[in-house]
Amino acid sequence: GAVVSQHPSWVICKSGTSVKIECRSLDFQATTMFWYRQFPKQSLMLMATSNEGSKATYEQGVEKDKFLINHASLTLSTLTVTSAHPEDSSFYICSAPRLAGGEQYFGPGTRLTVT
Amino acid sequence: GNSVTQMEGPVTLSEEAFLTINCTYTATGYPSLFWYVQYPGEGLQLLLKATKADDKGSNKGFEATYRKETTSFHLEKGSVQVSDSAVYFCALSITNNNDMRFGAGTRLTVKP
Repeated sequence: GAVVSQHPSWVICKSGTSVKIECRSLDFQATTMFWYRQFPKQSLMLMATSNEGSKATYEQGVEKDKFLINHASLTLSTLTVTSAHPEDSSFYICSAPRLAGGEQYFGPGTRLTVT
Repeated sequence: GNSVTQMEGPVTLSEEAFLTINCTYTATGYPSLFWYVQYPGEGLQLLLKATKADDKGSNKGFEATYRKETTSFHLEKGSVQVSDSAVYFCALSITNNNDMRFGAGTRLTVKP
């Protein structure tokens, strides 16, 4: 099946610094990718839709200046958490459909801890 | 709005026991319904899906039937195995799978 990777798998950073998380579709091109956030023992919450060649679409309540998304190519989307704070500590997951409207394939997630 | 409610866990069963994880949904329009599974340390994987009322999705011994009259999509398996231990998420999508809403997840532990 299709494979989506994320890098890094975990990261620890100090409060006030920025962290970049990469999401790659390894064996297919994805014009759209999705970023989710998962709190402990809670479900995935859609943060934003990443669109190749255009601006990302953010869900209500998600700060676009805080969570910068860049869909640089058909196989790569990046999420940058700017000026991270401890409350940004979470599990970040990306997904991408192989075909428009098709099944989504999920990355393994990135655990961010802000100290 | 569109949302999914699934039974809270954790659920602990003995091997070969019958499993039911309840899932109900609220949606405008006609959603597609999904069950995803997340094994420890791995990403979400699609377990099964159903795209219209009365459809039954099945995979690896798991089944779920899309019930429009009760707005439900309960997950069942007749005989669970230790290897089924994971977190299970019910989800729906209205717009061609591109806008998915997930339930809170149910952690299943199967003991030998």
